Amino acid sequence: DAGVTQSPTHLIKTRGQQVTLRCSPKSGHDTVSWYQQALGQGPQFIFQYYEEEERQRGNFPDRFSGHQFPNYSSELNVNALLLGDSALYLCASSYASPGNTEAFFGQGTRLTVV
Amino acid sequence: QQPVQSPQAVILREGEDAVINCSSSKALYSVHWYRQKHGEAPVFLMILLKGGEQKGHDKISASFNEKKQQSSLYLTASQLSYSGTYFCGTVRFSGNTPLVFGKGTRLSVIA
Repeated sequence: DAGVTQSPTHLIKTRGQQVTLRCSPKSGHDTVSWYQQALGQGPQFIFQYYEEEERQRGNFPDRFSGHQFPNYSSELNVNALLLGDSALYLCASSYASPGNTEAFFGQGTRLTVV
Repeated sequence: QQPVQSPQAVILREGEDAVINCSSSKALYSVHWYRQKHGEAPVFLMILLKGGEQKGHDKISASFNEKKQQSSLYLTASQLSYSGTYFCGTVRFSGNTPLVFGKGTRLSVIA
């Protein structure tokens, strides 16, 4: 089992550009959550996808959008990048809601906006 | 509502014990504990559900006080491998609510 895989691992973008990050959940998991982790901070919840729909959303602007595919993989899109978007983006997968089940994290995508 | 963790950082010598606390101002359904080493993904440690249970494996255990909405992570006889940042994540309801993390506690174990 490959666990949760994310791509790419590192990315450098220019302000104003758009970026797409990808996540493949652990086998058997149907729920994908995305988090933004700034240096020295805890992961901040962006949104959660289940059955190809956004089920929950954190306090992030509409520039952040996502998608979940029928195979449960997911994408995170960020438009009009700002310097403040530089962070580690983590994907976590779980079976149904993570309320009482373990969420597995991927290694993350390190996004640098210059 | 982000849970509050304390302390922010702690330095231990090998063999010493530590307690990390996680508090919420809102009623919780579950508390999750993770450890993240530098440059790596957070790794799951344990889940505690409301009901005031206590869990543990090896020398790491945790409790959840439902009345206080507080969870504590206990690390006993610390080892160098325990170093990292510990995060608690909280879930408010059993349904479709997200896992919300605290800011973390940085634990450094030195020889």
